[in-house]
Amino acid sequence: DTAVSQTPKYLVTQMGNDKSIKCEQNLGHDTMYWYKQDSKKFLKIMFSYNNKELIINETVPNRFSPKSPDKAHLNLHINSLELGDSAVYFCASSQETRAGGRYEQYFGPGTRLTVT
Amino acid sequence: GQQLNQSPQSMFIQEGEDVSMNCTSSSIFNTWLWYKQDPGEGPVLLIALYKAGELTSNGRLTAQFGTTRKDSFLNISASIPSDVGIYFCAGRSGGSNYKLTFGKGTLLTVNP
Repeated sequence: DTAVSQTPKYLVTQMGNDKSIKCEQNLGHDTMYWYKQDSKKFLKIMFSYNNKELIINETVPNRFSPKSPDKAHLNLHINSLELGDSAVYFCASSQETRAGGRYEQYFGPGTRLTVT
Repeated sequence: GQQLNQSPQSMFIQEGEDVSMNCTSSSIFNTWLWYKQDPGEGPVLLIALYKAGELTSNGRLTAQFGTTRKDSFLNISASIPSDVGIYFCAGRSGGSNYKLTFGKGTLLTVNP
């Protein structure tokens, strides 16, 4: 009964390939996020979806495209992978629009992407 | 943009010692969250703070929301080896901005 799950856990691929990472949450939350954690462990927000609507879109290359088919899922597709895309990508979720919402974000286990 | 300074960057302590770390912000936050990340895992929420001056405990962990709303502190008492990991603070402004700003983390090493 994992709250926020991601697949795959590890992804090794070559430059130029296209890959996707999937995220699912069973917490009933209405908002989901993608973060990138670099080699120095810095966590940076990339995207956020609230009720399937894109609400945060940081300065991320157009090669990154999130897609939320429903409130419980947020996928990340990356085109033309580059060496600099190697990082750990975390999905997270929170409940934002319920009255008295506590806005706490819960993270998945991460996907370690290695581009060779 | 908002900046969070988290210190110290790393700590090496002996088992049984108490630990303190803090975060300061260049702007006011309405929410402070503290997370712990174990190697190969995602950040796990430890404590959430919602009011200036609030002091909240979770076992041996105690966190405080600074009265200026620009800082927060985390204390760990009587550290044990499993406390090893990276501790992150995260702050959030009010309104419809859902974005969390994270500190750069404090790497804690506990020597048995």
